[in-house]
Amino acid sequence: GENVEQHPSTLSVQEGDSAVIKCTYSDSASNYFPWYKQELGKGPQLIIDIRSNVGEKKDQRIAVTLNKTAKHFSLHITETQPEDSAVYFCAAKTDSWGKFQFGAGTQVVVTP
Amino acid sequence: DAGVIQSPRHEVTEMGQEVTLRCKPISGHNSLFWYRQTMMRGLELLIYFNNNVPIDDSGMPEDRFSAKMPNASFSTLKIQPSEPRDSAVYFCASTNDRGYGYTFGSGTRLTVV
Repeated sequence: GENVEQHPSTLSVQEGDSAVIKCTYSDSASNYFPWYKQELGKGPQLIIDIRSNVGEKKDQRIAVTLNKTAKHFSLHITETQPEDSAVYFCAAKTDSWGKFQFGAGTQVVVTP
Repeated sequence: DAGVIQSPRHEVTEMGQEVTLRCKPISGHNSLFWYRQTMMRGLELLIYFNNNVPIDDSGMPEDRFSAKMPNASFSTLKIQPSEPRDSAVYFCASTNDRGYGYTFGSGTRLTVV
């Protein structure tokens, strides 16, 4: 089955700096890669996603890149702010119905 | 839109008791997913439904776990009997596009003592 690895597990950045989280997947048939942000006591919230026919997608301060050949995708957050502090999860869609394999998560801490 | 609604938010129960978690998906969404989150195992998919029909329950850990979706606006996850290792946060999510753009509920934190 699909295996998604996520790095790093924790990331501490100064406010205003950039943060990058990387994920690799194993199943070349995976075709959809969402990123979720989870704040304490809340459910994961979709922040950006990318489909396998696209190499890069940007939404304001966040962007996702996908390298299908290498089977990895990354989340980039620019000009980080304290409210970006949360756990971020990557995922890969593994079937036609909506089954995802999630990464283990990255705890991002943005210090003022 | 009220989002995905889960109840209760917190549940504390004694080992051996039956526990029922409830989920109301977003109106119009036809796929519903139950996840369990723990520190050790992360987010695990337990079961998912499409148009109220269970599609894949291979993630359900044991026969003690069962899930139903009697109609498009309601689903339950039942654990009977509950055990301390079932303690986790259980999330429900829904979508209308076969997995694209899940919306998660706020979760139910289950503690079995």
